[in-house]
Amino acid sequence: DGGITQSPKYLFRKEGQNVTLSCEQNLNHDAMYWYRQDPGQGLRLIYYSQIVNDFQKGDIAEGYSVSREKKESFPLTVTSAQKNPTAFYLCASKSEQGAMYNEQFFGPGTRLTVL
Amino acid sequence: SQQGEEDPQALSIQEGENATMNCSYKTSINNLQWYRQNSGRGLVHLILIRSNEREKHSGRLRVTLDTSKKSSSLLITASRAADTASYFCAARGGQNFVFGPGTRLSVLP
Repeated sequence: DGGITQSPKYLFRKEGQNVTLSCEQNLNHDAMYWYRQDPGQGLRLIYYSQIVNDFQKGDIAEGYSVSREKKESFPLTVTSAQKNPTAFYLCASKSEQGAMYNEQFFGPGTRLTVL
Repeated sequence: SQQGEEDPQALSIQEGENATMNCSYKTSINNLQWYRQNSGRGLVHLILIRSNEREKHSGRLRVTLDTSKKSSSLLITASRAADTASYFCAARGGQNFVFGPGTRLSVLP
């Protein structure tokens, strides 16, 4: 999966708990993204970051938070404010220059289930 | 704000046949990309077509783009069982990518 790792692969959480999903990349990419995928649906953008210490809300940011303290890492916290958090979460990264400028590289995903 | 919409939602064909998937989008784009996703995995980039291109080939893949109709198609020729996956188009108009719901392709041996 192209130098991007996500952990854990499966995550179970009780209602009312916050949980943090890890995303690490060793591709030296500036931009990183978090998407949510629900069964039979496409990807919806949660947050993205184009540079360290900066990030922007995507289409469905409510109930989620992120940080970008290091270029390699872009963790996503699913808070208790997220009403329907059970989903498949995908992290991606992209170079902001060069021949691969347009291509996103995806991690293997984390499947979050709220019990 | 979802731009990409693929059809059909699901497609089942025999090995060796061609598979065609279509994508429509709503606003202006810089480029349109197709990705593949095996069940429960991340997405893999297949091919990109720029807004000033009409057709592009990569191996058994052929992509067309009609900006007047805001649509694109992905053709996989001589399909194989290993092509079984979901295929997504992603429209890029600015900094971000907007993905459609995908087409689930099943190639039967």
